[in-house]
Amino acid sequence: QVQLLESGPGLVKASQTLSLTCTVSGGSISSGTYYWSWIRQHPGKGLEWIANINHRGATYHNPPLKRRVNLTIDTSKNLFSLKLSSVTAADSAVYYCARVLNSREGVDVWGPGTTVTVSS
Amino acid sequence: SYELTQPPSVSVSPGQAASITCSGDHLGDRYVCWYQQKPGQSPVLVIYQDFRRPSGIPERFSGSNSGNTATLTISDTQTVDEADYYCLAWDTTTLIFGGGTKLTVL
Repeated sequence: QVQLLESGPGLVKASQTLSLTCTVSGGSISSGTYYWSWIRQHPGKGLEWIANINHRGATYHNPPLKRRVNLTIDTSKNLFSLKLSSVTAADSAVYYCARVLNSREGVDVWGPGTTVTVSS
Repeated sequence: SYELTQPPSVSVSPGQAASITCSGDHLGDRYVCWYQQKPGQSPVLVIYQDFRRPSGIPERFSGSNSGNTATLTISDTQTVDEADYYCLAWDTTTLIFGGGTKLTVL
């Protein structure tokens, strides 16, 4: 049973870079079957997809965030990471990492989420 | 950009059927997934590929997708089904979530 776990600072200062890591256990991140994803949820709001990365490092972004987002994958450590630059209070949210199968089967595994607050 | 529209809220009495819609331009040409999210928890996949149920999801959850509208139906709704529900579809290489629907069972 694949499990995902987000880690990183819960508090980030405005204008700085938010950095989160998702560690994958119970399965290999090198499988070409999946995309690995970051999704966020602002307090009391809906889900917002941020970006996907595959095992080769190819990335796909939500256009409004693309300029500030950098995704990387480390197959040797079975983890992938998100960097979001120039953060503002509007980036305060619960950040989820997730596994994505394809357009038919969608996001099938989610991490528990981690809360990030941007302070001024 | 592609958008998915859901009603903000739906109310249903226990034992009755609840229907939650998700609308988008030619949505029937895309696959739709549905997620259930309870407070403080991660979303859970309840329907994929328009109508298929993952293992462990009760049979009372069903889905359809045609034209511009996908529908999640919960038959014999139970109090444990009270949650937020989100639809998901792909737009080429991007994932699009609907705004979410709060299902109240009362």
